[in-house]
Amino acid sequence: LAKTTQPISMDSYEGQEVNITCSHNNIATNDYITWYQQFPSQGPRFIIQGYKTKVTNEVASLFIPADRKSSTLSLPRVSLSDTAVYYCLVGDTDYKLSFGAGTTVTVRA
Amino acid sequence: DSGVTQTPKHLITATGQRVTLRCSPRSGDLSVYWYQQSLDQGLQFLIQYYNGEERAKGNILERFSAQQFPDLHSELNLSSLELGDSALYFCASSLLDRGHPLDSPLHFGNGTRLTVT
Repeated sequence: LAKTTQPISMDSYEGQEVNITCSHNNIATNDYITWYQQFPSQGPRFIIQGYKTKVTNEVASLFIPADRKSSTLSLPRVSLSDTAVYYCLVGDTDYKLSFGAGTTVTVRA
Repeated sequence: DSGVTQTPKHLITATGQRVTLRCSPRSGDLSVYWYQQSLDQGLQFLIQYYNGEERAKGNILERFSAQQFPDLHSELNLSSLELGDSALYFCASSLLDRGHPLDSPLHFGNGTRLTVT
């Protein structure tokens, strides 16, 4: 099972960019990197997925260096509503079975 | 809206009772996953079905069982309920099976909050 390590918590202020780095040293050749966001009492929501280099959508960007041993989720200009838990998952056959503790991002006014 | 529907939203029952949680996956998705999330706990994987077949089992108690029906909806049955079973139960669906080379993300419902008193 590909293991991921991400910070337990991060604090930020409205309007700032938040970058959450996830380490996955044992990532396999075919593994995807997927990030989810979870608000209290709601199911996790898919944010972004990537394999290499950079992926951007309307919500976030995902930066993956050439060695793919880490990835960084970038949330531009966060608002209070971005306060949530963010999970990094790295794919192998069983990756969808373990979400880990995630990173609690708290955005303050 | 993820397209995954879970019913009921809330359920309050007594210890020893049996309940059934229902999940309708996103249209076209063949895979259904069940997760349990207790207060301040992470998401614990329970079980996965793909096109009606059980594909993976996590730390699911013997008192719990699930199935996926021909129309692809799924039910999670919890019996002999204990206080510790109080939690949020999430269902997620995805297009492909988890071992498929082409990855397909999970889409979660908003959960059923079970309170056992």
